[in-house]
Amino acid sequence: KAGVTQTPRYLIKTRGQQVTLSCSPISGHRSVSWYQQTPGQGLQFLFEYFSETQRNKGNFPGRFSGRQFSNSRSEMNVSTLELGDSALYLCASSLAGTGTSNYGYTFGSGTRLTVV
Amino acid sequence: AQSVAQPEDQVNVAEGNPLTVKCTYSVSGNPYLFWYVQYPNRGLQFLLKYITGDNLVKGSYGFEAEFNKSQTSFHLKKPSALVSDSALYFCAVRDFSGGYQKVTFGTGTKLQVIP
Repeated sequence: KAGVTQTPRYLIKTRGQQVTLSCSPISGHRSVSWYQQTPGQGLQFLFEYFSETQRNKGNFPGRFSGRQFSNSRSEMNVSTLELGDSALYLCASSLAGTGTSNYGYTFGSGTRLTVV
Repeated sequence: AQSVAQPEDQVNVAEGNPLTVKCTYSVSGNPYLFWYVQYPNRGLQFLLKYITGDNLVKGSYGFEAEFNKSQTSFHLKKPSALVSDSALYFCAVRDFSGGYQKVTFGTGTKLQVIP
């Protein structure tokens, strides 16, 4: 059973550019969440999607956006990149729909974004 | 609002000694609690969870965690530490605000097992 796949693994962008990151969840998982991990801030919740709908959103500026497709694959987009956006972006999938599942998250290995 | 606190940025323990990584939480209603481990340049791996039932939960790699409702704690433990246990550990709590799950992670505790 394939795990959560995030592409690309590494990315270098310059300030002002935009970037799109991709996440393919475990087959059958309908919930996808995105996190930003930095040494100083730890794991920060970005947003969560379930069945193509955004259900929760963290405290990030509007430059950060996402979407989920009908096959549950999700993309995250960051526009007008800033140096502070350099981070490891993690995607996590789960079965959880309305919260009745007892399963935790399965994380991908992340995309390491460096903004120069 | 729900929250998770990991009061120690780093825990050092000698190989073979017992280890404890602390976690306290705040949530309305009954908590769903999790521990995850992260190795360098990798995503987080699920270790164990508490939903209901026995307060002592056993998980992967010999880890266990004790749920204490009165102290609102969920400390991670292992009887005998291995060098390979050195990693970053995250505690998380899941709540169901508005009918949807929301997971909040602690800031992480770096475990260093000294040979």
